[in-house]
Amino acid sequence: QVQLQESGPGLVTSSQTLSLTCAVSGGSISSGSYYWSWIRQPAGKGLEWIGRFYSRGSANLTPSLKSRVTISGDTSKNQFSLKLSSVTAADTAVYYCARMRDYSTSRYMDVWGKGTTVTVSS
Amino acid sequence: QSVLTQPPSVSAAPGQKVTISCSGSSSNIGNNHVSWYQQLPGTAPKLLIYDNDKRPSGIPDRFSGSKSGTAATLAITGLQTGDEADYHCGTWDSSLGAEVFGGGTKLTVL
Repeated sequence: QVQLQESGPGLVTSSQTLSLTCAVSGGSISSGSYYWSWIRQPAGKGLEWIGRFYSRGSANLTPSLKSRVTISGDTSKNQFSLKLSSVTAADTAVYYCARMRDYSTSRYMDVWGKGTTVTVSS
Repeated sequence: QSVLTQPPSVSAAPGQKVTISCSGSSSNIGNNHVSWYQQLPGTAPKLLIYDNDKRPSGIPDRFSGSKSGTAATLAITGLQTGDEADYHCGTWDSSLGAEVFGGGTKLTVL
């Protein structure tokens, strides 16, 4: 059974770079059947998809964050990472990683990590 | 402001049926499949419905999904107190080249 686990600093200083890692167990990020996504959720608000990594292609990023986000994968460690630069208080949220199925017009996230809370302080 | 529109909250009594709507446009729901996620308090979202109306293994048939044009609906029958959660719809937006979500709907079982 595939499991995902987020890790990284819970506190980031404003204007710095937020860095998170998602470790994948029970499956390989090199599998061509899946993409590997990052999603965030500010307290009391809805979900926001940040972007995704695909081992056989480049990352896809949501337009509103594209200039500040890098998503990459390390197949040797079976993990993928998120870097978000120039953070502000608006980036304070619970960050989730998830496995994404993608074929034709069907896309959905079928396995999620438990999430990690990141607070941006001034 | 979310790309997809959901009601902020819905409520119904135990045993009753409730529906949650999700409205979009031709660039997202109109041309892509919709998924639904259940988020119990303090936990990560969980896939509830995919491809508009399919249930993953282990999801009871009390949960069903449908789609018509640029709108999707999640229906829950035989409501239980354990169904109290936030429900999120999601789909791909072909114009944005990104997954988009609704703002989430909080279900209260009275």
